[in-house]
Amino acid sequence: GESVGLHLPTLSVQEGDNSIINCAYSNSASDYFIWYKQESGKGPQFIIDIRSNMDKRQGQRVTVLLNKTVKHLSLQIAATQPGDSAVYFCAENRMDSSYKLIFGSGTRLLVRP
Amino acid sequence: GAGVSQSPRYKVAKRGQDVALRCDPISGHVSLFWYQQALGQGPEFLTYFQNEAQLDKSGLPSDRFFAERPEGSVSTLKIQRTQQEDSAVYLCASSSRGSVGVSGNTIYFGEGSWLTVV
Repeated sequence: GESVGLHLPTLSVQEGDNSIINCAYSNSASDYFIWYKQESGKGPQFIIDIRSNMDKRQGQRVTVLLNKTVKHLSLQIAATQPGDSAVYFCAENRMDSSYKLIFGSGTRLLVRP
Repeated sequence: GAGVSQSPRYKVAKRGQDVALRCDPISGHVSLFWYQQALGQGPEFLTYFQNEAQLDKSGLPSDRFFAERPEGSVSTLKIQRTQQEDSAVYLCASSSRGSVGVSGNTIYFGEGSWLTVV
């Protein structure tokens, strides 16, 4: 499968600090990317998306950056709150399969009070 | 309902037992997806329906896995003769249209059915 490893990388941040979660994607043909948040025992929840013709998109407290040259995606969360604690997944959509999402392996975000 | 609903939420099956997992997508959503999520990993695509038509089943791990959506709304994922490696969370998702990248076509996930095979 596309995901590897049983041990999720973990990012621990102090409440109020900014968080940056990174993701490397595999296929240069991917043209649409989504960040999902998954809390324990729940399904993935849409956060923000970006198309390949953009390099930055902002939402409420979140920003996604796309670097197509190195196939890298990042999610920035401003003023991180305890409720942001979750596992974050990036997902890519490839032009040859318009409906299928390929998920990365995820990063666990822990917010220290 | 307001979101994607899945049942059962938790299922413990003995090895060799058949299981059926149900998904109620958001009303009116054309597209329905099943994903499998192993512990500590990201979801992996299993199959895709557009209305009642199963357009892609390339992700189903074996012929023990079968999915249907006979009337274009509720879907069932059936696993025959379950094995321990089938233990995972099975996520159902739906969207109003087919193509993921279409503006406004968010894919909504249910909370999953947690299957443990003992």
